[in-house]
Amino acid sequence: DAKTTQPPSMDCAEGRAANLPCNHSTISGNEYVYWYRQIHSQGPQYIIHGLKNNETNEMASLIITEDRKSSTLILPHATLRDTAVYYCIVRWLASTPLVFGKGTRLSVIA
Amino acid sequence: GAVVSQHPSRVICKSGTSVKIECRSLDFQATTMFWYRQFPKQSLMLMATSNEGSKATYEQGVEKDKFLINHASLTLSTLTVTSAHPEDSSFYICSARATKTSTETQYFGPGTRLLVL
Repeated sequence: DAKTTQPPSMDCAEGRAANLPCNHSTISGNEYVYWYRQIHSQGPQYIIHGLKNNETNEMASLIITEDRKSSTLILPHATLRDTAVYYCIVRWLASTPLVFGKGTRLSVIA
Repeated sequence: GAVVSQHPSRVICKSGTSVKIECRSLDFQATTMFWYRQFPKQSLMLMATSNEGSKATYEQGVEKDKFLINHASLTLSTLTVTSAHPEDSSFYICSARATKTSTETQYFGPGTRLLVL
C-alpha cells in the first residue's frame, strides 16, 4: 500500500471549514483513499473514501487531485465534536486490512 | 451505518489471568475481522486478521499462543489474552469488514481498555 504523509496537527475555528491535507505521491491506479477519525478513547470512525472522483457525504467532502498524488478532507462547518485524530489511508486491495499512520490531530477551537 | 460492538469496554485483571474480549458485527455479516492494539499516544497497530471458520493470521511480532483469536460465526470474533502481564495493558480495538460493499469498508468497535495489575 502507498505511504501517506499528513501534518501532525492543525487548528480550526469552530464554524469554519477544516481542510485536512494528505500526500500520497506513490499511489497506484487501483488504490482507494480512505479517511477515518478517532476521537479520544474511542474506536476509529469511517468518514469517506474515494478512488478518482471527488466524493461528498453527510460528514465531509473528499477532494482528490487529478494526478491522485494528494487529497484533502473537508469538514464544511467544524464543531468542537470534530476534535480528533484524522487518518488518511491508501489501500491497494479491498481484501487487505487498513494500516494506520500517525494521522493529523485536529483541534477545533471555540 | 454498520455497527460493531465490543465487550467489555473496560477490564482490570491480575497478572497471570486470562481475559476474553468479544467483538460483534450487529447489523451485517463479516467474514473477516481484524484486531488492533493501541498504546497511549500511539497509532493503531494491527495484531491479526481473522477469517470466519479458519485460523487467524498474525502480524510479525504478535504471539499467537498469547493472543488467541476465535472467529466462529459471521458476527462474532473473540480475542483472549492468556496469562496477561502488565505490558499487555493497552486499548484493544476490533474491526469488521462489510462484505456486501464493493470497496469492503472496515468498521471499528468502540475498543476495550485492558489494565493488568
